Amino acid sequence: SQELEQSPQSLIVQEGKNLTINCTSSKTLYGLYWYKQKYGEGLIFLMMLQKGGEEKSHEKITAKLDEKKQQSSLHITASQPSHAGIYLCGADLAGGTSYGKLTFGQGTILTVHP
Amino acid sequence: NAGVTQTPKFRVLKTGQSMTLLCAQDMNHEYMYWYRQDPGMGLRLIHYSVGEGTTAKGEVPDGYNVSRLKKQNFLLGLESAAPSQTSVYFCASSDSPHHTFGSGTRLTVV
Repeated sequence: SQELEQSPQSLIVQEGKNLTINCTSSKTLYGLYWYKQKYGEGLIFLMMLQKGGEEKSHEKITAKLDEKKQQSSLHITASQPSHAGIYLCGADLAGGTSYGKLTFGQGTILTVHP
Repeated sequence: NAGVTQTPKFRVLKTGQSMTLLCAQDMNHEYMYWYRQDPGMGLRLIHYSVGEGTTAKGEVPDGYNVSRLKKQNFLLGLESAAPSQTSVYFCASSDSPHHTFGSGTRLTVV
């Protein structure tokens, strides 16, 4: 089993709908990072969460970190076709000895129908 | 502002052939990484480097070698390609908690 599990693996929504993607760790989270990937392109950094209870927003995307559950959620409000892509969570699971290494979830493929 | 540049973008290899993937960053980052991305498995770390002249194994290092002779470059080599190495390869660099990624190299081994 993976150390970082994302759910759902894929999501199809109608434009304008809200959606949530979850990322759950089996180990202590020292930092949680959300990235977005479009097909054939690299990963674009979205947000970083480091403290329990932390919440950050960028445009219509909000990410939260639940330290007790070792889980982060990514919420998109009023989805648009431009939100389509693969969302990946990456985590620092080693703290100070990690040298910046990240462990990634499997990714969530988001499709938004106009 | 180039960021992280990977070459080539696409490559088809025959089993047993060798090749080198090139990664260059212009942000003066200390840390660099090579990941591979496979369907349903997210990104897995192959090798990484914490500075010029240093390299270390990641989660899936077998069949790959790396070198970091200059701070801005991180090379990934396949000595004898196998079909199991068909994947999308991403290079990343970091000097802060998050990574900056290249656009990837799609490698097919037939």
